[in-house]
Amino acid sequence: AQSVTQLDSHVSVSEGTPVLLRCNYSSSYSPSLFWYVQHPNKGLQLLLKYTSAATLVKGINGFEAEFKKSETSFHLTKPSAHMSDAAEYFCVVSETQTGANNLFFGTGTRLTVIP
Amino acid sequence: NAGVTQTPKFQVLKTGQSMTLQCAQDMNHNSMYWYRQDPGMGLRLIYYSASEGTTDKGEVPNGYNVSRLNKREFSLRLESAAPSQTSVYFCASNRGLGQIDTQYFGPGTRLTVL
Repeated sequence: AQSVTQLDSHVSVSEGTPVLLRCNYSSSYSPSLFWYVQHPNKGLQLLLKYTSAATLVKGINGFEAEFKKSETSFHLTKPSAHMSDAAEYFCVVSETQTGANNLFFGTGTRLTVIP
Repeated sequence: NAGVTQTPKFQVLKTGQSMTLQCAQDMNHNSMYWYRQDPGMGLRLIYYSASEGTTDKGEVPNGYNVSRLNKREFSLRLESAAPSQTSVYFCASNRGLGQIDTQYFGPGTRLTVL
C-alpha cells in the first residue's frame, strides 16, 4: 500500500533563509513521487516530480527534492525563502503502472515566511 | 488553452438537496479524477475515469456518482447532500500514462451543506 507522511504540519522560516519540508513515503513498488503547492484559495500546482531518473530533482521557483531510497524520504528544499513561497505543500506518491494513476496525498505542510 | 475548469466555484446546499459539479479539460487528456479536500487530511480520491466510457471508485466514493460525458467532461453528482460532504472539490486530468504522469488540477469548488 502507498502512503505518505509529512513530518511537519507547519513550518515557519524567515525570508532569505533555507526551507526544508520533510516527507517520508511507503510504497510496495518503485514509486513516483511529487510535490504540489497550493496557494490560498487556489488549485494545486506541480512543483516537481521523481520518476526513477535522477535522484535529485529540480523544480520550479528554485525548489528541489532528493529521493533517498534507503531512508524512504523525499524532502523538499529551497536555499532562500521568498515571501511568495508562503503556501501549503503536499507530498504525493503515485501508484498504478499503466493507465490512470491514483495519487496518495500527505496531510500537507503549511509554510509561513516571516519578513 | 484553459486547462481544467470547474463550475460552480462556490455552492451552498441544504441537507437532502442534489447538485452536479461540472469539470472540463481542453488538453485532450484520457484520464480524469475527482478529489475532496478536508482540513488536515490532504486530498482524497472520490472517483476516477481512466478513459472515456469507464469510471471507477476511489478511496471515498459513498454518497457520490460520476458521469464521463465525453472525453472532455467529467461530472460529480451528489444525490442527497449531507453536512459531511461539506468540502472543497477538485477535478484533475492527465494523459493516463501510469504513475509517472502528472495530474493537472482545476481551481476547485467550495461546497457547504447546511
